Amino acid sequence: DAKTTQPNSMESNEEEPVHLPCNHSTISGTDYIHWYRQLPSQGPEYVIHGLTSNVNNRMASLAIAEDRKSSTLILHRATLRDAAVYYCILDYNQGGKLIFGQGTELSVKP
Amino acid sequence: SQTIHQWPATLVQPVGSPLSLECTVEGTSNPNLYWYRQAAGRGLQLLFYSVGIGQISSEVPQNLSASRPQDRQFILSSKKLLLSDSGFYLCAWSDGTGGQHFGDGTRLSIL
Repeated sequence: DAKTTQPNSMESNEEEPVHLPCNHSTISGTDYIHWYRQLPSQGPEYVIHGLTSNVNNRMASLAIAEDRKSSTLILHRATLRDAAVYYCILDYNQGGKLIFGQGTELSVKP
Repeated sequence: SQTIHQWPATLVQPVGSPLSLECTVEGTSNPNLYWYRQAAGRGLQLLFYSVGIGQISSEVPQNLSASRPQDRQFILSSKKLLLSDSGFYLCAWSDGTGGQHFGDGTRLSIL
């Protein structure tokens, strides 16, 4: 299974953009890139996913490198409620067998 | 809209006792269903997944089993709990085209 590498933690200021990086150098052609986030004592929440093209939704944007070996989750304007652990996960062929790593713990300062 | 329910929210059980955790999904049909466990710290481990009634795939050898008696019902069970079964258990569903949607989880403590 292809793995992902994320920084252990990041800090952001409220109302500023946040760029959360993820490396997946061994990604295969049919691996979808998924992002989830988890608030304390809650289940993970789906954020966004993509295959090759950049994606936007109401929560965030996903920028995928041309060679697909890295991606960046973009929160356009961080709020205190965005403080969470963010997981970048590869889903082989949309099979749904997600392998969660350690993620990036994002803290947002007022 | 689709919703997922898990219960109970917390559970304290003695070692050697049985376990049954239930998960139900509403507002969709023939979902893919998943059981995960999260130990202390981060990272979820996929335990079981199901693509249909009676179809269960186990991802890791363990003391637990899963069943899917109805289309939108997924049950996690154990005949005899071990201390190592403690953790945060999460059920999730997907329609196979996008992301997975998680329940609120059950926090299981084994004494």
